[in-house]
Parts: sequence; structure tokens; C-alpha cells
Amino acid sequence: QQQVKQSPQSLIVQKGGISIINCAYENTAFDYFPWYQQFPGKGPALLIAIRPDVSEKKEGRFTISFNKSAKQFSLHIMDSQPGDSATYFCAAIPSGTYKYIFGTGTRLKVLA
Amino acid sequence: NAGVTQTPKFRILKIGQSMTLQCTQDMNHNYMYWYRQDPGMGLKLIYYSVGAGITDKGEVPNGYNVSRSTTEDFPLRLELAAPSQTSVYFCASSVTGGLNQPQHFGDGTRLSIL
Repeated sequence: QQQVKQSPQSLIVQKGGISIINCAYENTAFDYFPWYQQFPGKGPALLIAIRPDVSEKKEGRFTISFNKSAKQFSLHIMDSQPGDSATYFCAAIPSGTYKYIFGTGTRLKVLA
Repeated sequence: NAGVTQTPKFRILKIGQSMTLQCTQDMNHNYMYWYRQDPGMGLKLIYYSVGAGITDKGEVPNGYNVSRSTTEDFPLRLELAAPSQTSVYFCASSVTGGLNQPQHFGDGTRLSIL
């Protein structure tokens, strides 16, 4: 069964610090790697995504780094803010499908 | 813009009861999905639909049924509620299944079965 392993399960960061969330996958045939952000009581919402032919993608304070050989990708949140406190899910879309495989989530808390 | 609307937001069921979780979207999206979210387990796909009249099983379909009679609506049916179905259920939609087509989620239905 295809899996996406996400770590850490929870993360506490000081305001202004860097938050780093890591994901690893076990199957090479993935076409797309989105990250979703979920606030309490709300559904997940797309934050940023990357294709496997790109090693890094940056949107504002959010950066995805992708290491194809290691089968790993990570989300970096620069200058973390209390408003970034949420649960973050990585996901992977297997080749030839549109069905997401989600990681288990990381609960981020940014202290003011 | 309403987006994806789920009702009810909360529900408590007794074991063996049945209920339908409602999901409607006003974005004219072709693809719709049902997920369940359990603590520490991420989101698991229950059923999905690529258009009206077309549905298929996801990763965890047992104990659930779906229908898709219109583009807008994608209800999820629990026939015989079991404690293992206690979860938060999310409905999502996307324009198509394309890689750069994000899934838009509703705010979820929190279901407890006692």
C-alpha cells in the first residue's frame, strides 16, 4: 500500500522562527505533491504544491523542498507567525490517478 | 461564495442507526470526494465521483454508500452505524482530476456513534 510518512506529529516554534515539516514517500510513481493547511473547525485548504521535476518552490514565506533521490519533500515556513498555527498535511498523487494520499498531519503552534 | 457546504456540522448516532451526510457544491465541479479524518491518521478517501451518475470506491469504503444524481450534490450514507465510524467527515470537490486542480473542502461533519 502506498504511504506518505509525515513528521513531526506536533511542532512548537517561537514567533519569527522557521518551521520545518518533513514527508517521505515509498513509491517513485507520484506526479504531484501538494501541502494543505487546516485550521480548527475548518476543512483543509491548498497551501502550496510542487511537481517532482522541480527541486524547490517558494510562495511568500512558504517553501517546498523536494529531493527526488531521497523520496522526501519538506515544507519550510519562514518567519513563522501565530496565525500560522494550524495542522499541515502533505499529500502525494500517484501517477495516472487523481486520488490523494495524505500524510498523517503536523500540528504546528507558533508562540507569540 | 458558498463553495462546498456540508450538513449537519455535528451529529450523535446510536449503534445501528442510519443517516445521510449531505454535501453540495456551487462551483460546478465535476469531481467530488468523501474523506474521513481520524486523529493521527490523516485523511482517508471513502468514495469519489468524477461526474453525475459515476461513483467509485476509495481506500475505506466499507460501511458507506454514495450516490451522485446531480453535479452539485454528493451525499454519503451510513446504513448501520458502528463505533468505528466515529470520525470527522469531509467532502471535497475539484474542477477535474488534473494535477494542478486543488481540492476544495467543506468544513466537515463531526460524527459520534455511541
